[in-house]
Amino acid sequence: DGGITQSPKYLFRKEGQNVTLSCEQNLNHDAMYWYRQDPGQGLRLIYYSQIVNDFQKGDIAEGYSVSREKKESFPLTVTSAQKNPTAFYLCASSSGTSNTEAFFGQGTRLTVV
Amino acid sequence: AQSVAQPEDQVNVAEGNPLTVKCTYSVSGNPYLFWYVQYPNRGLQFLLKYITGDNLVKGSYGFEAEFNKSQTSFHLKKPSALVSDSALYFCAVRDKTGANNLFFGTGTRLTVIP
Repeated sequence: DGGITQSPKYLFRKEGQNVTLSCEQNLNHDAMYWYRQDPGQGLRLIYYSQIVNDFQKGDIAEGYSVSREKKESFPLTVTSAQKNPTAFYLCASSSGTSNTEAFFGQGTRLTVV
Repeated sequence: AQSVAQPEDQVNVAEGNPLTVKCTYSVSGNPYLFWYVQYPNRGLQFLLKYITGDNLVKGSYGFEAEFNKSQTSFHLKKPSALVSDSALYFCAVRDKTGANNLFFGTGTRLTVIP
């Protein structure tokens, strides 16, 4: 059963703590993306990766970090430098060609407590 | 720069009536356009896309979209709305430069009233 899996579904972070969100895909896609969703703002791109061992900053990369050591995995770390991390985080993947759609995970809701 | 706009934050329609969710785009060259739907606390589900060819594109769950180059629009439509269509809808355009990213609109919340 192919797809893209995000975990956990809900995550709580204390002030000053780093947390890592998991994203795994078995679609054999080259490209993977992380988006942040806030009410009324649509989806904003945090980081993306077109190929293993390479990634690029998106529009709102400050306070976040990623790695792409395996084709299947693209974890996102929300660092203590991210001042307003409470949001819904979505991971996506695509084949990398421009005429194909992206597939999304079910999202992780991060809350700072 | 590539972008899409969804001019309506909220659309209400009665069950059984036709629905339209609007999207306009701004791109250089020919656009690759997409519609996604999001149910509460879930990821985005792909509905349909326009790449080339017929201006009327048919997708999942009875949805269709009409590409209009002169008006730079890609409105989502359905002939008869269902209560279960109530959700958040996003229009997106593909960046066809090396980055190949998707740029999303701010979303339109559709409510179908029984």
